[in-house]
Amino acid sequence: EVQLVESGGGLVQPGRSLRLSCTTSGFTFGDYVMGWARQAPGKGPEWVGFVRTKVKGATTEYAASVRGRFTVSRDDSKSIASLQMNSLRTEDSAVYYCTRVPIGVAAPGGIDYWGQGTLVTVSS
Amino acid sequence: DIVLTQTPLSSPVTLGQPASISCRSSQSLVHRDGNTYLSWLQQRPGQPPRLLIYKISDRFSGVSDRFSGSGAGTDFTLKISRVEAEDVGVYYCMQGTQLPWTFGQGTKVEIK
Repeated sequence: EVQLVESGGGLVQPGRSLRLSCTTSGFTFGDYVMGWARQAPGKGPEWVGFVRTKVKGATTEYAASVRGRFTVSRDDSKSIASLQMNSLRTEDSAVYYCTRVPIGVAAPGGIDYWGQGTLVTVSS
Repeated sequence: DIVLTQTPLSSPVTLGQPASISCRSSQSLVHRDGNTYLSWLQQRPGQPPRLLIYKISDRFSGVSDRFSGSGAGTDFTLKISRVEAEDVGVYYCMQGTQLPWTFGQGTKVEIK
């Protein structure tokens, strides 16, 4: 069974940093593009970014709203994906979901599994 | 960015009756690799989103065959053949063809 379990959320002041982790099991982590999405209270989901596989250079892509502040990374030896969030803003407050991208197609093109999410609140 | 527009935004349905949700894209969702990365997600109250349909019409593992997807290019549809109580929630279309990936506004399905 595929499992994605987020941790690291909490209350943080504007301008500070926070690191989220996603511990995974049930699949060969290194074969998959991994990413993050978020959902502010009462709103729809928003894509945040992803990291490609090591074979594809572990390159990353980001939404414009977080580019330069957030970093998605992966540790294939531990089957963990991470989201480093710097210079946090109040508008970054949301539930953050770890996501997996389907395998077997030429391009990353969607999300097949979502974690349960971890709440990040940015407030003074 | 690609804008996805869903209609209706709210769909009150009688149990056992069908429901249909439309998703229209501001641009063609055909990727240069030939695939069309249009997905449908279900979000039940208090739960994370869950994949129902991938690449227009591929039903995801474990998803009821009451759910089906169709469409091409810029116009897509999710159909629920017979609505059950467990189908209550918000449904989103999502495109993964072009970065940034984007979502529709959501359609709330509720029981009349």
